[in-house]
Amino acid sequence: DTAVSQTPKYLVTQMGNDKSIKCEQNLGHDTMYWYKQDSKKFLKIMFSYNNKELIINETVPNRFSPKSPDKAHLNLHINSLELGDSAVYFCASSQAGSDGYTFGSGTRLTVV
Amino acid sequence: QQQVKQSPQSLIVQKGGISIINCAYENTAFDYFPWYQQFPGKGPALLIAIRPDVSEKKEGRFTISFNKSAKQFSLHIMDSQPGDSATYFCAASWGAQKLVFGQGTRLTINP
Repeated sequence: DTAVSQTPKYLVTQMGNDKSIKCEQNLGHDTMYWYKQDSKKFLKIMFSYNNKELIINETVPNRFSPKSPDKAHLNLHINSLELGDSAVYFCASSQAGSDGYTFGSGTRLTVV
Repeated sequence: QQQVKQSPQSLIVQKGGISIINCAYENTAFDYFPWYQQFPGKGPALLIAIRPDVSEKKEGRFTISFNKSAKQFSLHIMDSQPGDSATYFCAASWGAQKLVFGQGTRLTINP
C-alpha cells in the first residue's frame, strides 16, 4: 500500500486550462503539504494543512487553491495555467509534533 | 534567514570513495536537520536526521556531522556505491514547522 499517493503522475495541458492534482495519505498523519520542484530541482513549500485547516500559505499566485476535504486528502486546483507552472508537484504528510515528512512520487505538470 | 545553502551542486565520486555534501544555515531557531535522498521519478525520502544537541549521527554508511557554532552540517557517505547515485537534499525546520530545503546535490558514483 502506497503511503502517500498522488494522481495523476503526469499531466500535460494547454495554457489557460484549469487542472487538479489529488493526494491521499494512509499514514494517519494530521498535516499535509504541497511542494513545488522546479526544473533546477529546487523544492519549495506552497501550502500546509493541519486537520483540514490551512496553516501555511507561501507566496503563491491565487490561481492555486488547495482543498482538504478530510485530513487524509489534500487536493490542489490550478486555474488559468501558465507556462511557468510547469514543474513537479509533490504532496507530503507528517504527524504534528514529529518532524519526519513522507513524500508522494510527484505529479509532473507540463503546460504547453 | 529562511535559507539553507547547499554545496556542491554536483559531485562525482569513485566507487568505494567518500562522498561529502555540505550545508549552511542562518536561522538559529532551526532545531531539526534532515537529509533526503531522491531518485529520478520518485519523491524525496528521509535518509538520516540530526538535532542540534549532538555533533554527529551515524546510520550505516551515512553520517551527519553538525557544527552548531559554525551553523553548518554535512552528509558523509562512506564506501560510496553506484546505487547511492541520486540527488541529495539537506533541509531544516523549527518546531516541527515547514521544512526548508537546500538546492540539492546531484551525486554520481562511478563504478
